[in-house]
Amino acid sequence: EDQVTQSPEALRLQEGESSSLNCSYTVSGLRGLFWYRQDPGKGPEFLFTLYSAGEEKEKERLKATLTKKESFLHITAPKPEDSATYLCAVQPYNFNKFYFGSGTKLNVKP
Amino acid sequence: KAGVTQTPRYLIKTRGQQVTLSCSPISGHRSVSWYQQTPGQGLQFLFEYFSETQRNKGNFPGRFSGRQFSNSRSEMNVSTLELGDSALYLCASREDFGAYEQYFGPGTRLTVT
Repeated sequence: EDQVTQSPEALRLQEGESSSLNCSYTVSGLRGLFWYRQDPGKGPEFLFTLYSAGEEKEKERLKATLTKKESFLHITAPKPEDSATYLCAVQPYNFNKFYFGSGTKLNVKP
Repeated sequence: KAGVTQTPRYLIKTRGQQVTLSCSPISGHRSVSWYQQTPGQGLQFLFEYFSETQRNKGNFPGRFSGRQFSNSRSEMNVSTLELGDSALYLCASREDFGAYEQYFGPGTRLTVT
């Protein structure tokens, strides 16, 4: 069964304290892996798409990487405005549908 | 380009009633998906429409239904509301059924009392 697991569920960081969020997946052939940011009461905001193992994408303080079984979202020197829930989703080759993880709630304290 | 819009943004209904939510995709996007988001279950896929046809369906009861119009706008309907239907309902659009990226609207917060 296709599954997406994110860890940790919640993460508290001090401003400037770098860390990583994990998204592990089991799908029968990965078509794409997606990262989103969601602020409270709002819809998820698209961040990155990763297609194959070894690929990396960067945007400001965020860098997403992909291996054959998991993806990491690295946050370098985070600021309080990076506080949000980060969601990971996968799309398998054999089924044109998106499976979402339960998210990691990030809180960055000044 | 304007983003995905959803109306209404907030809704309070009573158990047993029915509700219709509306979604306008990004201009040029022809595929629209609906998701239910709750604190306990996370984001769960309801269904996806493309060219006015339902192409994918999640594991929700038949009380949840949807449709898409020729201008790609979509509506979802929930009949005989239950307390457990209280959730944030999100609409997402993508260019076509094979596109990778989907873009979400702000959601409709439905409260069932």
